[in-house]
Amino acid sequence: SAVISQKPSRDICQRGTSLTIQCQVDSQVTMMFWYRQQPGQSLTLIATANQGSEATYESGFVIDKFPISRPNLTFSTLTVSNMSPEDSSIYLCSVASSYNEQFFGPGTRLTVL
Amino acid sequence: GQNIDQPTEMTATEGAIVQINCTYQTSGFNGLFWYQQHAGEAPTFLSYNVLDGLEEKGRFSSFLSRSKGYSYLLLKELQMKDSASYLCAVFRAGANNLFFGTGTRLTVIP
Repeated sequence: SAVISQKPSRDICQRGTSLTIQCQVDSQVTMMFWYRQQPGQSLTLIATANQGSEATYESGFVIDKFPISRPNLTFSTLTVSNMSPEDSSIYLCSVASSYNEQFFGPGTRLTVL
Repeated sequence: GQNIDQPTEMTATEGAIVQINCTYQTSGFNGLFWYQQHAGEAPTFLSYNVLDGLEEKGRFSSFLSRSKGYSYLLLKELQMKDSASYLCAVFRAGANNLFFGTGTRLTVIP
């Protein structure tokens, strides 16, 4: 299984600012994903981070709000831009193994005031 | 479109057996996953079914019927530490990603 780390683990931010979340994997992976989990709810896929090309966003999520970088096969970043209190959530990075199993990072708990 | 339904909450007694059901409608189905998530932690993998039938792994078993769009997770000999949310997720072929249900919050009582 892959070992995934995320930074920061948590943050409290002011409305209107932006936060970049980093995801590091201990092995090269083809597929990396970013999820959001709002309080008391299940996981919602934000986008698939593609190495060497633009991320693929799910319905309801746009690049201007959630720009994603994937410079190599072990690293990705998600930026939450122009934050509002509605963006308060846990953001999780995930990678897929060759057997389609997905492993999750520990998550970044974001609170927007 | 896609849709996954699970009960929101369940309660069961320590030592008992509980079955958590999941029904789904999706295009491009390529397997069904069950994850366990304790409060404040990331989801952890429990099982993966791609063919019809029952997969057993210790106290946990998972069943899939693709024709019925139905799966269940069976937990035996419940322990207090099994109190957690259980997430059903469909692996979408083509998109190669997971679509999650709303999750079932299981509470195990003495």
